[in-house]
Amino acid sequence: EAQVTQNPRYLITVTGKKLTVTCSQNMNHEYMSWYRQDPGLGLRQIYYSMNVEVTDKGDVPEGYKVSRKEKRNFPLILESPSPNQTSLYFCASSSRSGGYLYDGYTFGSGTRLTVV
Amino acid sequence: AQTVTQSQPEMSVQEAETVTLSCTYDTSESDYYLFWYKQPPSRQMILVIRQEAYKQQNATENRFSVNFQKAAKSFSLKISDSQLGDAAMYFCAYRSESYGGSQGNLIFGKGTKLSVKP
Repeated sequence: EAQVTQNPRYLITVTGKKLTVTCSQNMNHEYMSWYRQDPGLGLRQIYYSMNVEVTDKGDVPEGYKVSRKEKRNFPLILESPSPNQTSLYFCASSSRSGGYLYDGYTFGSGTRLTVV
Repeated sequence: AQTVTQSQPEMSVQEAETVTLSCTYDTSESDYYLFWYKQPPSRQMILVIRQEAYKQQNATENRFSVNFQKAAKSFSLKISDSQLGDAAMYFCAYRSESYGGSQGNLIFGKGTKLSVKP
């Protein structure tokens, strides 16, 4: 089954304790992205990657890191989490078609992160 | 930069009735894609319908249809014969047709929460 797998689904952590949210897709998609969703703000992009070793900042990158060493994986790293990073996080991927991104995204199931 | 605006934070509809969710966007591009996503309480993001800007015909998927007005930069979603399972948050999203830099990114509105009354 074609899917984007995020782990964990729920995470409660303490301020300053480094954590990683994993994301993996099995569709051979070139494009991957991380979003955070907050009430009243919709989904805002954190980082995106157009291919292996190619990553760039989205609209709200502060406090986050990413890496893309393999095409299928795109982990999100919070080096020193703070309470304002409490949010719902989504990983998503997309294919290219003839050089254009035809489809919308395939989303993971989301990670609910609470930083206390 | 492109922006997407959903002016209705919440909407309500009676079961079996029709409801229209509004979305406007701002862009200087001529080629792009527009999407409606549904997010039920399970929080999964589900693609409802997609519209290519170069197509004049409005997209339709079963009970879901759009009214795409390119000149007005408007992209509303109509849900016919509403069902209890349609209750969800709905997001309108924009994507450039170009690929490069940030142009492939999906830009979302803030969402409209739809309630369906039995």
